[in-house]
Amino acid sequence: GAGVSQSPSNKVTEKGKDVELRCDPISGHTALYWYRQRLGQGLEFLIYFQGNSAPDKSGLPSDRFSAERTGESVSTLTIQRTQQEDSAVYLCASSSARGAYEQYFGPGTRLTVT
Amino acid sequence: QKEVEQNSGPLSVPEGAIASLNCTYSDRGSQSFFWYRQYSGKSPELIMFIYSNGDKEDGRFTAQLNKASQYVSLLIRDSQPSDSATYLCAPHSGNTPLVFGKGTRLSVIA
Repeated sequence: GAGVSQSPSNKVTEKGKDVELRCDPISGHTALYWYRQRLGQGLEFLIYFQGNSAPDKSGLPSDRFSAERTGESVSTLTIQRTQQEDSAVYLCASSSARGAYEQYFGPGTRLTVT
Repeated sequence: QKEVEQNSGPLSVPEGAIASLNCTYSDRGSQSFFWYRQYSGKSPELIMFIYSNGDKEDGRFTAQLNKASQYVSLLIRDSQPSDSATYLCAPHSGNTPLVFGKGTRLSVIA
């Protein structure tokens, strides 16, 4: 079946602009995660949605970052007033709440802030 | 603070050899353990996971888990140049996100 999809695949924006990144999880997956990966670095957890529960926002680096999820489907990560240090690949993953909780990743959105 | 430690590498092995990738974790409540492979410029892909102490084999890959020592490893037999990638270890507990290590970069030399 279809995997996790993300759009856009690449985004170049000017410092100070707002950006929205989109994630479509695997159908039926109740959990959705956002990560950030700077060049040559590890995965940095940002936010986690599980069903109708309140999201775990503990990884969001500042109040410029926010995310929403509509039910158990699409999620949008919004970065306001982008800064150059926001340049990274933003990865979305989803998992089923049953079984092993293994996460499946989308291809990512490469964000470049100029 | 849940910590996951991996040797960053690079770990260089000759083609056909066994590559051994190691990971230690701090959260004793971790119940399952995932190994992901990430090629340069790509997103992580799941290789395998293990729940129970001991070994779990899947093709050329074997995951080994020792919960008492808080240690999990991944062995790759008959290593191929196409195995060259960064390997991420991720313990999991409860209904929480995976905690990823920074990964070990493996280079298989032809």
